Amino acid sequence: DAKTTQPTSMDCAEGRAANLPCNHSTISGNEYVYWYRQIHSQGPQYIIHGLKNNETNEMASLIITEDRKSSTLILPHATLRDTAVYYCIACPRNSGNTPLVFGKGTRLSVIA
Amino acid sequence: DTGVSQDPRHKITKRGQNVTFRCDPISEHNRLYWYRQTLGQGPEFLTYFQNEAQLEKSRLLSDRFSAERPKGSFSTLEIQRTEQGDSAMYLCASTTQRDSWEQYFGPGTRLTVT
Repeated sequence: DAKTTQPTSMDCAEGRAANLPCNHSTISGNEYVYWYRQIHSQGPQYIIHGLKNNETNEMASLIITEDRKSSTLILPHATLRDTAVYYCIACPRNSGNTPLVFGKGTRLSVIA
Repeated sequence: DTGVSQDPRHKITKRGQNVTFRCDPISEHNRLYWYRQTLGQGPEFLTYFQNEAQLEKSRLLSDRFSAERPKGSFSTLEIQRTEQGDSAMYLCASTTQRDSWEQYFGPGTRLTVT
């Protein structure tokens, strides 16, 4: 699986957009980009995934660059409840035995 | 609540004791995963089941660790002769085979070995 790199931490003012970057320069053609987040003392929560097109759901938007070497997760109006560690993972979808490989993620602090 | 549940939520044990954790996945999910998470790190894969078959085990899963999913529903993770290095959060996740990367995690069991 392609390795991803993320900033260790970020701050965001409440109500503003939070833009979380992820580099995955070695991503291969069959690998998707998945985002999870983990709120303190809870298990990780799936947010969104994409292959090459931008994606949006009720939680967030995912912007993937045309060369697919990086992506940005956007929380359009961050709230205090969005304070969490955000993980970016690149892996083939439904590749059978390959498990999810989490890095250290980005610790997002939403500030009032 | 039809999410993934884990029991107990917290466990404190003395070094050398055996502990067992239980995970109840979402009922229609045939895949079940165990992860371990230490402070400041992301979750690390331990093992996974498809129905009752254990299909993959990480090298992190030493011979003191054993996991079962006898009827393809709930799963147990047992640690024998616990060591202080086993102190961690143990997370369970479930999913369907079709969407195996969209995993639903339980709240975890926090183990403290004294």
